[in-house]
Amino acid sequence: KAGVTQTPRYLIKTRGQQVTLSCSPISGHRSVSWYQQTPGQGLQFLFEYFSETQRNKGNFPGRFSGRQFSNSRSEMNVSTLELGDSALYLCASSLEWGGGAQYFGPGTRLLVL
Amino acid sequence: DQQVKQNSPSLSVQEGRISILNCDYTNSMFDYFLWYKKYPAEGPTFLISISSIKDKNEDGRFTVFLNKSAKHLSLHIVPSQPGDSAVYFCAANSKTSYDKVIFGPGTSLSVIP
Repeated sequence: KAGVTQTPRYLIKTRGQQVTLSCSPISGHRSVSWYQQTPGQGLQFLFEYFSETQRNKGNFPGRFSGRQFSNSRSEMNVSTLELGDSALYLCASSLEWGGGAQYFGPGTRLLVL
Repeated sequence: DQQVKQNSPSLSVQEGRISILNCDYTNSMFDYFLWYKKYPAEGPTFLISISSIKDKNEDGRFTVFLNKSAKHLSLHIVPSQPGDSAVYFCAANSKTSYDKVIFGPGTSLSVIP
């Protein structure tokens, strides 16, 4: 069974631009969560989607948004990029939402200049 | 407010000895706990979990202990192998409330041959 895939793997943007990251979950998994990882901060929860509905949301500004499609694939968008948005963005999928083991993709490394 | 804490940023252990990674939490609503391992340039990998109704869970060389009264859990790896060298994240949530998963900042384990 194929794992979680994320595209692109690397991205360089400039301040003020917007970016869209994509995540394809493991086949059969209906929950997708997004995390931001920065040095020393661990994994900060962004949001979780299940059956195309956002079920949980972290403490990030409204510039961070996401959506999930009917095939469970998910995208997250960051508008008006700031230097502090430079991070590794990780997507994780699971069978159900609200906890339990999650299976992570390799992440998208975003650098904002 | 860091709800999941891993107070040791790093740990070094000799090959063959026991590795003990510690985690403390503050939210008494947490009822499900997980450990993940992360290698550089990869996403975290689920290792082992424990529900609050248990105080111990084993899976091969990995054992997780939960002390609810102290709000403390630990991951024991016996025997430690060089391939165990990675960053270990503790995570927790209120699974009965379908709440978001909160990760700790991670502990970097080095197993010395």
